[in-house]
Amino acid sequence: GAGVSQSPSNKVTEKGKDVELRCDPISGHTALYWYRQRLGQGLEFLIYFQGNSAPDKSGLPSDRFSAERTGESVSTLTIQRTQQEDSAVYLCASSLATSGYYNEQFFGPGTRLTVL
Amino acid sequence: TQLLEQSPQFLSIQEGENLTVYCNSSSVFSSLQWYRQEPGEGPVLLVTVVTGGEVKKLKRLTFQFGDARKDSSLHITAAQPGDTGLYLCAGAHNYMRFGAGTRLTVKP
Repeated sequence: GAGVSQSPSNKVTEKGKDVELRCDPISGHTALYWYRQRLGQGLEFLIYFQGNSAPDKSGLPSDRFSAERTGESVSTLTIQRTQQEDSAVYLCASSLATSGYYNEQFFGPGTRLTVL
Repeated sequence: TQLLEQSPQFLSIQEGENLTVYCNSSSVFSSLQWYRQEPGEGPVLLVTVVTGGEVKKLKRLTFQFGDARKDSSLHITAAQPGDTGLYLCAGAHNYMRFGAGTRLTVKP
């Protein structure tokens, strides 16, 4: 069956340009997460969407970062005026629910962003 | 500061050795998960523990959830090169929060 997909798989951009990263979650998953993973590091939480509730944006590192989600489907993470420190793998995950036992997160393969 | 602290950060061992990695927090979690991430891929769920004191075994991997539901450990018996990867714990606290991970290398 279809898992979480992300596009592009790789993105190279110049400093100061804007980028959009896309995530297609598993159909029916109400929760969607974005994480950043720098080389050799763990997962840094960025933003979380749950159904029609207001997203939790507490992990976004600056106002250059924003994300949107259309209903319970595709999400887009936008980084404006990219900086070299934005270089990382951006992972998206979706899950059926946020509490209880059925909260396994299914991850996409990530988008590797390189800012020159 | 991380809500979940994982230790050690790095671990390099020989094939056949045993190891334990830890996930600690001052917060109580309704459930805790362990994921493994291999290079170039997203993390994949290994186990979910929900009851304080719970022990789960998955072949050579043994997971334990602390009695107070604040910490967990992962023990691997007779490690193999295929166990190499980043081991992440995640706790349910409104939503899932991840630790920084333990990067395990098992040398043949």
